[in-house]
Amino acid sequence: GNSVTQMEGPVTLSEEAFLTINCTYTATGYPSLFWYVQYPGEGLQLLLKATKADDKGSNKGFEATYRKETTSFHLEKGSVQVSDSAVYFCARRRTGGFKTIFGAGTRLFVKA
Amino acid sequence: NAGVTQTPKFQVLKTGQSMTLQCAQDMNHNSMYWYRQDPGMGLRLIYYSASEGTTDKGEVPNGYNVSRLNKREFSLRLESAAPSQTSVYFCASSASRDRGRVDEKLFFGSGTQLSVL
Repeated sequence: GNSVTQMEGPVTLSEEAFLTINCTYTATGYPSLFWYVQYPGEGLQLLLKATKADDKGSNKGFEATYRKETTSFHLEKGSVQVSDSAVYFCARRRTGGFKTIFGAGTRLFVKA
Repeated sequence: NAGVTQTPKFQVLKTGQSMTLQCAQDMNHNSMYWYRQDPGMGLRLIYYSASEGTTDKGEVPNGYNVSRLNKREFSLRLESAAPSQTSVYFCASSASRDRGRVDEKLFFGSGTQLSVL
């Protein structure tokens, strides 16, 4: 079936550490891929996206590369800050479709 | 900029009661969605409305109904609430088609925390 799998959390890091949150997907065709972030008490907001193979999405120091051969879209950041503490969701959407499918979310805690 | 506005923010119901969650967007978006968020399960799509006048089932539609009242508003109704419907509910919208492509970015409201006792 079509699904999104991301690493379980919580992930706890010290400030300035390197972050990786793994995400893999299954889908027919070539979906668009997204990372959304949810800060405490708020709705989700788009962090970055990629719409075709080998595209790299980036925003606020976060990056993710659309890897068709490994069906992955791992989120990375070179140096996390306390303000990055949030829940991160990987998601996919069939190009031109209306249904965005989300992973279970990964909670990140960053300690000062 | 209001964006996507949901009401209420919190609600407690007894089993069997009914209620309607309201959602409105002021971005002139064609498409609107209702999701529920449960621990360890991420967000699951309940219903969506691709455009005014249409609604379609998502992954978990049972126990819910929706109404696309106009372009701005999309409501979610629980006719007879059950404890399994305890969740956080999010409304979202996405932009109109532009030269045949749907803008895929979702804009979310801040959520409704619903408890069914």
